[in-house]
Parts: sequence; structure tokens; C-alpha cells
Amino acid sequence: GAGVSQSPSNKVTEKGKDVELRCDPISGHTALYWYRQSLGQGLEFLIYFQGNSAPDKSGLPSDRFSAERTGGSVSTLTIQRTQQEDSAVYLCASSPKLAGVTTDTQYFGPGTRLTVL
Amino acid sequence: GIQVEQSPPDLILQEGANSTLRCNFSDSVNNLQWFHQNPWGQLINLFYIPSGTKQNGRLSATTVATERYSLLYISSSQTTDSGVYFCAVPLDGGYNKLIFGAGTRLAVHP
Repeated sequence: GAGVSQSPSNKVTEKGKDVELRCDPISGHTALYWYRQSLGQGLEFLIYFQGNSAPDKSGLPSDRFSAERTGGSVSTLTIQRTQQEDSAVYLCASSPKLAGVTTDTQYFGPGTRLTVL
Repeated sequence: GIQVEQSPPDLILQEGANSTLRCNFSDSVNNLQWFHQNPWGQLINLFYIPSGTKQNGRLSATTVATERYSLLYISSSQTTDSGVYFCAVPLDGGYNKLIFGAGTRLAVHP
């Protein structure tokens, strides 16, 4: 597709359930990022994938959060045993990260709005 | 870690007015982006501008890297300019994960 796509657009779940959020980056982009936007914390970095390198997980708030990226393309963010404080908009972004090129604009998807009841 | 501050936090304009939004950052950066988040939540790239000046239609941006600030200019504002404007710089001094300012919420009234 032309841009980053995410699914579902909205997810309502009960506290304690697991959820999976999906991101399809722009075709050919080697870098993929997950961010979270919540009222109290603003926009915050969660995790970063670059090619086949080990992901940078330094932004994940707890071990209930994990993410994987299959085949260097689609990524899934999984939240286990959801809590009410996990309610937020989860945003995915991708960027070209071309070798030898220092500019690296990130392009964002529309987000998944997660509500934990 | 690096800090990003945006001002003003809120701005109300009459259609046709001009405005300047400011982004201050606490350390040197090699990447700075301005985004517009529309009322539907979509983050739209406006500028990639680690230094210098760029213009795109009614919008322009200037980054003075040595003084650690960037400015976003909106001229002849329109109601469709409403939303939240964010600046973002790399969290780790590279080009990767971004740290965002708290944003400037702009409302343009007809």
C-alpha cells in the first residue's frame, strides 16, 4: 500500500486479556517503530526494528509488552494481561534507513486505539 | 536524556492570521521533524529539518542547530490547519527512536 497501515483501528478489551496489534510498514522500508500516545504521557517510544538486527526494546514499559517482526515486514505488538493503564493509541512508523543516507523521515500509520475496561 | 519543549501549548487563531510555533531541545541533534496531528489522530510529516530553512506552501520551518531551537511558521492560517503540532528529535543522538515534545494545540476559527 501507499502508507503504513495498522489493524485493528479500535480495540476494546477486558482487563487481564491479551491483545495483538498489527502494523504493515511501507513497502521497502527497513526500519519499523512502535510508539504509544496516551493522555498522561504524550507520545513515547516503545520498540525499534532495523533489518535483521536485534530490536531495540528499551522503551517497552513492562515485560507484558513484546513485539516481533516477521520477514522484515509486518510487525505485531502483543500486550499480555492488559491493564487499564495500557489504554492508549498505539502508533507504528516506518522509515527507509538507506545505507549511507543520513536523513531518515519516519512515516506514521493511523494508529490503533486500545481501551482496557 | 534530551528534553524537548514546545511553546505555546495552546494557540487560537482567526482564519487568515499568521503564527510561529517554537521547539527547544536540550542537546545537539542531527534529526528534527515537525508533524501535524489532525483531528482524526493521523500524524502527518511536515518537515525533516535538522538545520536551515525549508518551505512548503504556507508552512515554513527554520532550525538553528547551534542554538538548539526550531520554529514552524504558519501563514494565512486555515481551519484545516487545526490540530496538534509536534516536533521530535532522536532520543539517543542518532537517527532512530524519536522523543516528542508535548505539542502545540492549534485551533483556527473561521
